[in-house]
Order: sequence, then structure tokens, then C-alpha cells
Amino acid sequence: NAGVMQNPRHLVRRRGQEARLRCSPMKGHSHVYWYRQLPEEGLKFMVYLQKENIIDESGMPKERFSAEFPKEGPSILRIQQVVRGDSAAYFCASSPGTAKETQYFGPGTRLLVL
Amino acid sequence: QQPVQSPQAVILREGEDAVINCSSSKALYSVHWYRQKHGEAPVFLMILLKGGEQKGHEKISASFNEKKQQSSLYLTASQLSYSGTYFCGIPLGGGTSYGKLTFGQGTILTVHP
Repeated sequence: NAGVMQNPRHLVRRRGQEARLRCSPMKGHSHVYWYRQLPEEGLKFMVYLQKENIIDESGMPKERFSAEFPKEGPSILRIQQVVRGDSAAYFCASSPGTAKETQYFGPGTRLLVL
Repeated sequence: QQPVQSPQAVILREGEDAVINCSSSKALYSVHWYRQKHGEAPVFLMILLKGGEQKGHEKISASFNEKKQQSSLYLTASQLSYSGTYFCGIPLGGGTSYGKLTFGQGTILTVHP
């Protein structure tokens, strides 16, 4: 059973470009969470999705950031017009069904904005 | 609302023990513990779902004191592989946002030979 998959693992963008981060949850998992980790800091919640629904996006910046989890395909975190402050590691986690269950993290995407 | 972890850092020699605490100012419904090595993803250690629960995984165990709104992670006879940053995560959102975890700032554990 493959774990949570994320791609790309590393992404370099220039200021003003768009970044697209993908996350495929573990097989059988229908809940996806995105977290951001700035260098030498802890994990900060961004958004919680189920298939075709955004459950909680309270941690997501109001502008430039969006997330989706379509019926088919991976979850995508999209950052438009990136700025240097967006440089961070973005982790996706998934859990099976109920929100009380363990969240398993993917390897992360390290975004560097030049 | 972020849980507070203590200590911020611990340095041990192999074989020594350590305790990491996680405290919340809000009521705790569950506590999730993770370990993260530098440049890697957080790895799940254990989850405690109710007050009074204790769990163990090899020589790593944890307790959950619901009344005190805190959890403690116990590492006994530490090994070099235990080095990393330990995070506790707690669900602060109610209702459908139960799965949203808020993490502590982390405790850096370094084990020397």
C-alpha cells in the first residue's frame, strides 16, 4: 500500500509565477490536509478537504492560494503570483474516514521562490 | 491556541531517558505525536484519543491527562535514531473541522553516542 505521494518534491519559481503542488492520498483515504512549514518552524494548518469539498480553509491566505480535491485525481494546492515569503515546505497528509484517525504525511514539496 | 511544548530542546546520551510535554489552554479531545527528521516528512508515532489513555511503541510511550489538558511523551533508553524534532498536534476545531491539527512549536531531541 503506497503512502501519501506528493510531487514535485522540489519546485523553483520566480516571483510572480504560479506554483502547483500535487498530493495523492493513501489508497482508501478520503480526507486530505495541507500544512506549511517555514524553515526552522512548526507545521501550520492550511486547508482540509474531502472529495470535491473544502471542509476548512481557515489556515489558507485569502489571496493567491487555492486548493481542490476533485472526484478523480490528486489534490492540488495552487499558489498564484508567488512571492519570496511563500518559500517553504508544503506537506500533505491524509486520513481514512473519520477525522479522529491518524494523519499520514507525504514527503512534502519544497518550494523556493527566487 | 497553539499547544505549548516543553522543553524546547533536549540533549541526551544513548541510553538516557527523556520526557516531552504538550500543554493546551483549551480542552483536549485527542493528541497526536509525530517525529520529524531534518528535511523529511513528519512520521506518526501515536495517537491518544481519551483521557487517561496510555500507549507505547517500543521504548516510546505517551500519556494523556484530559483534566490537566496535557500529554507527555516518554522516551526510555534512547537510541541514536530517536534524534529529531517531536511535535504534538491537537484538533482545535470543533464539528467538521475536527481533523484540523494545530501543532506545537516542536522539541528538538539530540542523542549522542
